[in-house]
Amino acid sequence: DTEVTQTPKHLVMGMTNKKSLKCEQHMGHRAMYWYKQKAKKPPELMFVYSYEKLSINESVPSRFSPECPNSSLLNLHLHALQPEDSALYLCASSSRTGTYEQYFGPGTRLTVT
Amino acid sequence: QKEVEQDPGPLSVPEGAIVSLNCTYSNSAFQYFMWYRQYSRKGPELLMYTYSSGNKEDGRFTAQVDKSSKYISLFIRDSQPSDSATYLCAMSELYNQGGKLIFGQGTELSVKP
Repeated sequence: DTEVTQTPKHLVMGMTNKKSLKCEQHMGHRAMYWYKQKAKKPPELMFVYSYEKLSINESVPSRFSPECPNSSLLNLHLHALQPEDSALYLCASSSRTGTYEQYFGPGTRLTVT
Repeated sequence: QKEVEQDPGPLSVPEGAIVSLNCTYSNSAFQYFMWYRQYSRKGPELLMYTYSSGNKEDGRFTAQVDKSSKYISLFIRDSQPSDSATYLCAMSELYNQGGKLIFGQGTELSVKP
C-alpha cells in the first residue's frame, strides 16, 4: 500500500486564523516532506523530516510551522497567512531521504481570504 | 537558466497515438530521474524512475535517459483518454541533498477519443 493521506481536502481560512494540515502514512517510511504547489507550477519543497527530525527548511516564512509527532504523522501549522499562500499543499514520504521515490498524498487545497 | 527545462505544452493527441514527453537539464550531477503523473486537483503519482543512463519499460510507458545529451524522455504507446494529465519530470543528485527533487514545469497532455 503506497498511500499517503491528507486532511482536510479543502480549507478556507482568514488571515487571522490558526489552522493545521495533517498527513499520515503507514508504509514505514522515515522521510516525510511538505510541498506547496501553485496552479500550473511544479511542487516547491518546503520542509523535509528525516527520522522525525527537521532536516531541510527551504527558507519558509515562520507563519508555516511543521511538526512531526511520530514516524507516521506530519503536521503543518498555519498562522497569520496571506492570500498569496493560497495553494495546494502536498505531503510526500519516502523510505528515507537517500531514496528518490517519493509518494505524494492528494493534497489540501488551501484558500486564504 | 533553470536546472530542468520541460515544455509546458499543452499537448493534444488522438487516442492511440505515441506520445513523447521530454526534459533537458543542466546539472551533470543528476543521477536519478523520475516521471510523475498528476491528474487535475490530485497529488503527483510516481510513474517510473531510472538511475543513470538507459531505458526502462513498464507496460505502455518507456523512460529513456541520455546523460551525454542531458536529456530524458517518457514515451506513452497506444495513448488513452485516461492518460490525460500533467506529466512532471523530476531529478536528483546521487546523494540526494537530503531529499530534494528538482522538478520540471510539467507538460499538460490531452488525449482525445
